[in-house]
Amino acid sequence: AQSVTQLGSHVSVSEGALVLLRCNYSSSVPPYLFWYVQYPNQGLQLLLKYTTGATLVKGINGFEAEFKKSETSFHLTKPSAHMSDAAEYFCAVTLDNYGQNFVFGPGTRLSVLP
Amino acid sequence: NAGVTQTPKFQVLKTGQSMTLQCAQDMNHEYMSWYRQDPGMGLRLIHYSVGAGITDQGEVPNGYNVSRSTTEDFPLRLLSAAPSQTSVYFCASRTRYEQYFGPGTRLTVT
Repeated sequence: AQSVTQLGSHVSVSEGALVLLRCNYSSSVPPYLFWYVQYPNQGLQLLLKYTTGATLVKGINGFEAEFKKSETSFHLTKPSAHMSDAAEYFCAVTLDNYGQNFVFGPGTRLSVLP
Repeated sequence: NAGVTQTPKFQVLKTGQSMTLQCAQDMNHEYMSWYRQDPGMGLRLIHYSVGAGITDQGEVPNGYNVSRSTTEDFPLRLLSAAPSQTSVYFCASRTRYEQYFGPGTRLTVT
């Protein structure tokens, strides 16, 4: 069975600083990996996804993530944080099978300080 | 194209009451799911459906019922509400690689 861990339930960065949100997964077969963002009182919105091909994937709002199979990681980064990036971020995994469900990590709340 | 819609946005129930959370999607997706979101626990799958007439249990199904009579609609029923069901509920529909979430229903059980 798959599982997802996110290191740090709360991360604070200064505006303009690097954002790094960590995600590690466990899976017996190569997974599909996702990052979702949730702004206050809203649903989840897809930031980016890795299915196959290039291991560095770019998403919306300047975010990117790199799939590292050897480290079973899919960390999310952004070179320069903006106040509007303050939100909760969820990493999720599923397998290459339409019937497989998504498994979500516990989430990391990102605060951006002025 | 409205995507995934959920009603109501907010609901307060007393212990023992029943209610139905509505979910509809207009993307013709076969696969739909219900999740609950609790602080520090991410999203946990309650029930899901891979097509009309087909439903199955997820990680936390107890106290909830679902049915899928059409592709568009996937209602979630709380049979006898308990304080432990206080949560935010999200409905989602998906393609093979992507899930689309509704705006959520915030439920409080007193």
